[in-house]
Amino acid sequence: AQRVTQPEKLLSVFKGAPVELKCNYSYSGSPELFWYVQYSRQRLQLLLRHISRESIKGFTADLNKGETSFHLKKPFAQEEDSAMYYCALSGSNTGKLIFGQGTTLQVKP
Amino acid sequence: GAVVSQHPSWVICKSGTSVKIECRSLDFQATTMFWYRQFPKQSLMLMATSNEGSKATYEQGVEKDKFLINHASLTLSTLTVTSAHPEDSSFYICSAFASSPGLGAETQYFGPGTRLLVL
Repeated sequence: AQRVTQPEKLLSVFKGAPVELKCNYSYSGSPELFWYVQYSRQRLQLLLRHISRESIKGFTADLNKGETSFHLKKPFAQEEDSAMYYCALSGSNTGKLIFGQGTTLQVKP
Repeated sequence: GAVVSQHPSWVICKSGTSVKIECRSLDFQATTMFWYRQFPKQSLMLMATSNEGSKATYEQGVEKDKFLINHASLTLSTLTVTSAHPEDSSFYICSAFASSPGLGAETQYFGPGTRLLVL
């Protein structure tokens, strides 16, 4: 079965602390993995995708096929990073996305 | 960048009426659009895939006669909630799949969502 699991509903850290938002997936083929972010009262937007292997707003994510994980990391969290983060998987060239349950990141001053 | 709009942003209707929600890609053409439903504090649930010029593909458990999808052009898809009932109250989000180069190829761009409240 195709599934994306984000085990933490809420992650609360202090400003400047490292952040890791966990994402595990289940897929029989070779999926493409994404992280989407939704800031308060804004639409969902793409943060990064594994094939790009880039760092956006200080966030990185590495696809670990052995552990079927795509954890999102940032070494020093900022207050403006507070948002809802969704891990998503696309398994075909149709673009269809399967979302995880989402993790709310709260960065305290 | 690519922008997707939705109209209306919110709607309140009486039980039994039908509501149409529009999703437009403003500066790019989208052969494929997706419709999602999101309950409070929950994730997005894919309802259907809308392909220009063909019938929509519905996910398991989504009633196609209740949620009518039309993708009449490369920039417009509509979702009509027919004979709406209070349990249809939700946040409906569309996305457009940009497959042309130069837009972050094969990327989904999301609309702002439409909040539906059925009384």
